[in-house]
Amino acid sequence: ETGVTQTPRHLVMGMTNKKSLKCEQHLGHNAMYWYKQSAKKPLELMFVYSLEERVENNSVPSRFSPECPNSSHLFLHLHTLQPEDSALYLCASSQEYALEQYFGPGTRLTVT
Amino acid sequence: SQQGEEDPQALSIQEGENATMNCSYKTSINNLQWYRQNSGRGLVHLILIRSNEREKHSGRLRVTLDTSKKSSSLLITASRAADTASYFCVGSNFGNEKLTFGTGTRLTIIP
Repeated sequence: ETGVTQTPRHLVMGMTNKKSLKCEQHLGHNAMYWYKQSAKKPLELMFVYSLEERVENNSVPSRFSPECPNSSHLFLHLHTLQPEDSALYLCASSQEYALEQYFGPGTRLTVT
Repeated sequence: SQQGEEDPQALSIQEGENATMNCSYKTSINNLQWYRQNSGRGLVHLILIRSNEREKHSGRLRVTLDTSKKSSSLLITASRAADTASYFCVGSNFGNEKLTFGTGTRLTIIP
């Protein structure tokens, strides 16, 4: 248990659906991250928020939309996804940007 | 980019032996971190070494950092079956450098 929780743990959605992934950290950290992990590929950093401001957006398609309403919560809103978006989505937090990150268990997303 | 490149890509050793894996990076860093990922516990931070440190220990882990060669090594002593996992390094710079994981070293401990 790392102090970072993610819901749901598994999600199956059609390409026309809209869903959201939720991440919550109970560590008092100031930075939060979204990563995508696909089979046989390196972990891909998608978004970073530091003190509730987005500091990185690594050329992620607009069908992924992050939201950070406060320092403890991070959302990833999904709409009109493609089958290649199927992956494990990991959330992480750190005390400050670029320090050691604590990861949640991930959401296994399948797009049909 | 601060992508760490781990070497070897895969490593298999007998339980009880020591495992060494290496990491190289391209640009200057403020710190380098090692992470482990296995199916049971997900992705876990192991150790952080700062650029002004050459060696750091944590339990059975020993990390070295050579900033002149832009490389780091992770040594796991007296390996256990539970050490079977993928190991990643990430270099970071307290600026606007992107944090990028490599493909990792897949370590298998043979009982």
